[in-house]
Amino acid sequence: EPEVTQTPSHQVTQMGQEVILRCVPISNHLYFYWYRQILGQKVEFLVSFYNNEISEKSEIFDDQFSVERPDGSNFTLKIRSTKLEDSAMYFCASNKGPNEAFFGQGTRLTVV
Amino acid sequence: GQQLNQSPQSMFIQEGEDVSMNCTSSSIFNTWLWYKQEPGEGPVLLIALYKAGELTSNGRLTAQFGITRKDSFLNISASIPSDVGIYFCAGRNSGGGADGLTFGKGTHLIIQP
Repeated sequence: EPEVTQTPSHQVTQMGQEVILRCVPISNHLYFYWYRQILGQKVEFLVSFYNNEISEKSEIFDDQFSVERPDGSNFTLKIRSTKLEDSAMYFCASNKGPNEAFFGQGTRLTVV
Repeated sequence: GQQLNQSPQSMFIQEGEDVSMNCTSSSIFNTWLWYKQEPGEGPVLLIALYKAGELTSNGRLTAQFGITRKDSFLNISASIPSDVGIYFCAGRNSGGGADGLTFGKGTHLIIQP
């Protein structure tokens, strides 16, 4: 069964460094999302991407975040200058339509 | 922003018991979804509901989209050990475009053999 894949599974970075989290959505999907989950808390929406542009973003998704679909298969989330509070699980999700979301296994980001 | 109130926060039950959890909102949602998350994994979609009043089953799971579009429940019948995990409700208010999902805080299900 096709699935969303994310790399790396765990990333440790120094505060202030840039990180890029990578995702390969399911191949025939058109809508792509990033969510985050701080340890022990609920899943929070960051951004959605459709037709090669951002469709919607939450108030969490400030200027230090950006997304890109550099080719036909990858979807990336860049955090320009990481802060301690950016430590969380980051989930990529995709779907054919906008109503549901199929999630990857996540990348655990630890900022030290 | 929109908020989903999910209850109960946690449930300790015996294997074989039925389980019921629900989500309520002050806002209308046009889609209700139920996900299960196990430790270290991403949320896995269990049931999707698109229409007010809709009742949908997936094996031992049954979920309903409330008539007011402000609530949903999930029932699990005859629980088994592999049902352990955190269950999240999620809603989408499709105001246009690829809106993100709003998640509840989760119901942590623990099953005692």
